[in-house]
Amino acid sequence: DIQMTQSPSSVSASVGDRVTITCRASQDIHFWLAWYRQKPGKAPELLIYKTSTLQRGVPLRFSGSGSGTEFSLTISSLQPEDSATYYCHQTDNYPYTFGQGTKLEI
Amino acid sequence: QEQLQESGPGLVKPSDTLSLTCTISGVSITSSYWTWIRQSPGRGLEWIGFIFYGGFTIYNPSLKSRVTISVDTAKNQLSLKVNSVTAADTAVYYCARRVEATEGLDVWGQGTVVTVSS
Repeated sequence: DIQMTQSPSSVSASVGDRVTITCRASQDIHFWLAWYRQKPGKAPELLIYKTSTLQRGVPLRFSGSGSGTEFSLTISSLQPEDSATYYCHQTDNYPYTFGQGTKLEI
Repeated sequence: QEQLQESGPGLVKPSDTLSLTCTISGVSITSSYWTWIRQSPGRGLEWIGFIFYGGFTIYNPSLKSRVTISVDTAKNQLSLKVNSVTAADTAVYYCARRVEATEGLDVWGQGTVVTVSS
């Protein structure tokens, strides 16, 4: 199985800050990487797919980059509603796997 | 607007079969792939598998021998069965739509909590 490792595990930031979350894959996953945001008690929500494509309706302050084994999610200007746990998800190889999550506190 | 709603017993006894249903509204089940994912404090988010209505399924090998995903096109429902459950199967179970071209899971149910306990 491909292991997905996120860093940091948690981060605290302020409204208006820029935050970057990193996801590292244990082998090349090309560009098959998605990012999800999960708020407490809710289902995950798709933010970005294929490394850098923004899902319809997701604010432009979210962006993704990377390739191969190193990927990142950047939130350019934090808003209070961005307080959540963020997960990366590889879909290059079965079984698909998720990172362990990064908890973002605003 | 597409909506997914999971349902099923919240409590299952060890060694029994866990059975869940995902009722899909606003879109035909024949139009997409459908995925089951579960989440627990100890294992995080775990991909269980997905199905296309024609019967094409892919399962997580760690669960493959115990899991069956199927669709009922007449009822527009997705189902999940997990045999011989143990406490390790205790989790929140989600169904979600998989967009084949992007591999994104763009619509999710709200999740249903399943506890395995005697």
